[in-house]
This record gives sequence, C-alpha cells and structure tokens, in this order.
Amino acid sequence: QKEVEQNSGPLSVPEGAIASLNCTYSDRGSQSFFWYRQYSGKSPELIMSIYSNGDKEDGRFTAQLNKASQYVSLLIRDSQPSDSATYLCAAGRGHTGTASKLTFGTGTRLQVTL
Amino acid sequence: DVKVTQSSRYLVKRTGEKVFLECVQDMDHENMFWYRQDPGLGLRLIYFSYDVKMKEKGDIPEGYSVSREKKERFSLILESASTNQTSMYLCATEVDGYEQYFGPGTRLTVT
Repeated sequence: QKEVEQNSGPLSVPEGAIASLNCTYSDRGSQSFFWYRQYSGKSPELIMSIYSNGDKEDGRFTAQLNKASQYVSLLIRDSQPSDSATYLCAAGRGHTGTASKLTFGTGTRLQVTL
Repeated sequence: DVKVTQSSRYLVKRTGEKVFLECVQDMDHENMFWYRQDPGLGLRLIYFSYDVKMKEKGDIPEGYSVSREKKERFSLILESASTNQTSMYLCATEVDGYEQYFGPGTRLTVT
C-alpha cells in the first residue's frame, strides 16, 4: 500500500514567521511530488510541484525534496493569515501506462495567528 | 489557466436514486480523474480516464461507474446511491503529464 504521511496539525505560526510543512512517502518509485492548498469547503489548489532532489522556490514558497530520505517539505516564508488552510502533499510515479496516478496525504492544517 | 467545471456545487439525493456528476474541461486534456474526499481519509481515486471511452478503476470503484463520450466531459455515475456515498466529489484534469488541477467539487448528501 503506497502511503503519503503528514502530520494533521494544526500547525500554528505567528504572522510573518516561516511555516514548515513536512511529508514522507513510502513508494520509492515516486518521481513527482506536489503541494496543494485547500481552504475550508473549497477544492485543492496546486501551489508547487517538484521532481528533482533539492529546493524549488516560487515567491514565498519553497519545496524541498530528498528522495533518499523519502521526504518532501514546503516552507512558507512571511506567513500571512490568508495562508491559513490545509496543505495536501501528493506523490506520483509519473506515467505508468495510462496516466499519472497520485497518492495524497490527509493534509496538515496551518493556522497563521495575528 | 486550466478551467475545470463541475455540474453542481451541492446535491441532495435519496437512497437508491441514480446520480450523475458531470465534469468538463476546456483544454483538450486526455487524462481526467474522479476522487472523493472524506475527513480523515483524504482524497481517494474512484476512476480515471485516459482517452474517450477509455477508463480504469482507481482505489475505490465499487458502487460507481463512469462515462467519457467526448474528450472534454467525464461523468461519474452512482448507480444506486447509498448514505455511505455522502461525500465531496472532486474532478481533476492532468496537465503536461503530471500536474492535476481540480474543479470546484460537488458536495453530495444522500439521505
């Protein structure tokens, strides 16, 4: 059973601080990794994708991947109250035949406090 | 921008009814997916389609079927709705072979 594990939280950080969200995966064949943000009652929104070991930065967001440790993280710098949401981590094997099926974690709830 | 639309945001149906959930994408993408999301269980794949009339079962296909007669449209069918199918249903389309983008979701309640 392929699994993606996340701490459910809530993770509480003060406004302006760095939020660090972590994710581990069990399938060593995973090649693609994604972070989604989901506000309460809304659908998941893709915010970062990462395919290679190391860091990938996009604005206030940095995704980090370590395939040897089977570990993915998302850093949010200068956290804002609008970042308060549930963050889903997903892993996929890439195309194996017909489509790239993703396995999702259950998400970490982030609360940014004033 | 990737645009995925779903036919209803909220739906209430009775036990035993046949339910159709529709998803439309406007980007000519080949791969489309249906998930359900439940608290504590996360997103679980029901079915996906990789071309017109082509489909594969996901992790939890029991009680569901799908239809894809046109490339832009992927329908999820609950043959005989049951209360344990009360859930948030999410459709996604795949971009560039890897990234999946979701529609707004349909919150289905079966009474």
